[in-house]
Amino acid sequence: DTEVTQTPKHLVMGMTNKKSLKCEQHMGHRAMYWYKQKAKKPPELMFVYSYEKLSINESVPSRFSPECPNSSLLNLHLHALQPEDSALYLCASSARVSGANVLTFGAGSRLTVL
Amino acid sequence: AQSVTQLDSQVPVFEEAPVELRCNYSSSVSVYLFWYVQYPNQGLQLLLKYLSGSTLVKGINGFEAEFNKSQTSFHLRKPSVHISDTAEYFCAVIQGAGGTSYGKLTFGQGTILTVHP
Repeated sequence: DTEVTQTPKHLVMGMTNKKSLKCEQHMGHRAMYWYKQKAKKPPELMFVYSYEKLSINESVPSRFSPECPNSSLLNLHLHALQPEDSALYLCASSARVSGANVLTFGAGSRLTVL
Repeated sequence: AQSVTQLDSQVPVFEEAPVELRCNYSSSVSVYLFWYVQYPNQGLQLLLKYLSGSTLVKGINGFEAEFNKSQTSFHLRKPSVHISDTAEYFCAVIQGAGGTSYGKLTFGQGTILTVHP
């Protein structure tokens, strides 16, 4: 299995809702990532988990809460989001190759906040 | 800190013509370089990577790139494009050990390649 699977593919939520994005990989990768991509922009790093511990938080607002229940799963819990949080949320995992982290991305979850 | 500049935001080209997408980076330490492709409404797919060794790197779908350390460039090329190559292409860099952005993948702004029949 060489894929990163993200669910749901599309999510519409109101500003008072609580929802979650899920990400799963079975490649044995020990680092997992959340990126946010706005329209016509490159992906921006949000969080990095390494060996199931949060290692990087790029000053993301607390309305985004990541969770790594085990080495194969990564969640992003969403609460009280704003319309400007509407974006494509990409999950990735990485393997270490010749000293570099090589990332494999999922297809993304497109979030619309009303 | 590292940065990546993709010199062209849009590149239109006719089918079967050659194409070059340009990428320059800046870093005070060694880097690892990547090209990703994003088709409409999809995630990112790794096209190719330069980690070490030969400076000419071959990837999927007939693409190749050349790492030029003196010019800090990593341009992507394909000798003959197809309609199906229409997509957005991102150049990305990770700093090696000793860099302030060690381990973090930084993307360029992207180049939209449009292949016309």
